[in-house]
Amino acid sequence: GAVVSQHPSWVICKSGTSVKIECRSLDFQATTMFWYRQFPKQSLMLMATSNEGSKATYEQGVEKDKFLINHASLTLSTLTVTSAHPEDSSFYICSASGSSTDTDTQYFGPGTRLTVL
Amino acid sequence: GQSLEQPSEVTAVEGAIVQINCTYQTSGFYGLSWYQQHDGGAPTFLSYNALDGLEETGRFSSFLSRSDSYGYLLLQELQMKDSASYFCAAVNTGGFKTIFGAGTRLFVKA
Repeated sequence: GAVVSQHPSWVICKSGTSVKIECRSLDFQATTMFWYRQFPKQSLMLMATSNEGSKATYEQGVEKDKFLINHASLTLSTLTVTSAHPEDSSFYICSASGSSTDTDTQYFGPGTRLTVL
Repeated sequence: GQSLEQPSEVTAVEGAIVQINCTYQTSGFYGLSWYQQHDGGAPTFLSYNALDGLEETGRFSSFLSRSDSYGYLLLQELQMKDSASYFCAAVNTGGFKTIFGAGTRLFVKA
């Protein structure tokens, strides 16, 4: 089946530093990747949609200069949280869909838990 | 705007059947997905309906009525391990963007 990995699985950083999270599709080419954020006991909130080779499309209210998304290849997308602050602490989850999978089915990564001190 | 509504909590006993309803209001609706999420974990895909009707996958079934903007997830022969949060999610045209409902927390009691 389609497998998506994320790295790191958890990260703790100091306020003001930047953190990069990787999302990889292991056995299929992900033409589209999605980034979500989930606060405790809340739903997944879509942050942005990224298509390989083009700029990400951000949802309303998501700061594109703070959450930098790069989708440089068909198997890798990265989310960089710049100048992280404690309020950015959350569970960040990516998902991917691709031409070799059902395009309307998303495959989720295991998530990255970010804690900003 | 886009929104999905589902009950916040459902409690049922082991072996029973439970139905989790979801109504949606979205533009460019393409299909309805269901995901399960255990505490601390990522969502796992359960079922997807692009057409009206019932889709059955083992103990889980999902139903969609596009005319009523309504769907449900049916869980049969409940087991303790089914205790989790269940999210309905609307897949939209235009990049297949997915919008999640707030989630239903299912408690299965012995």
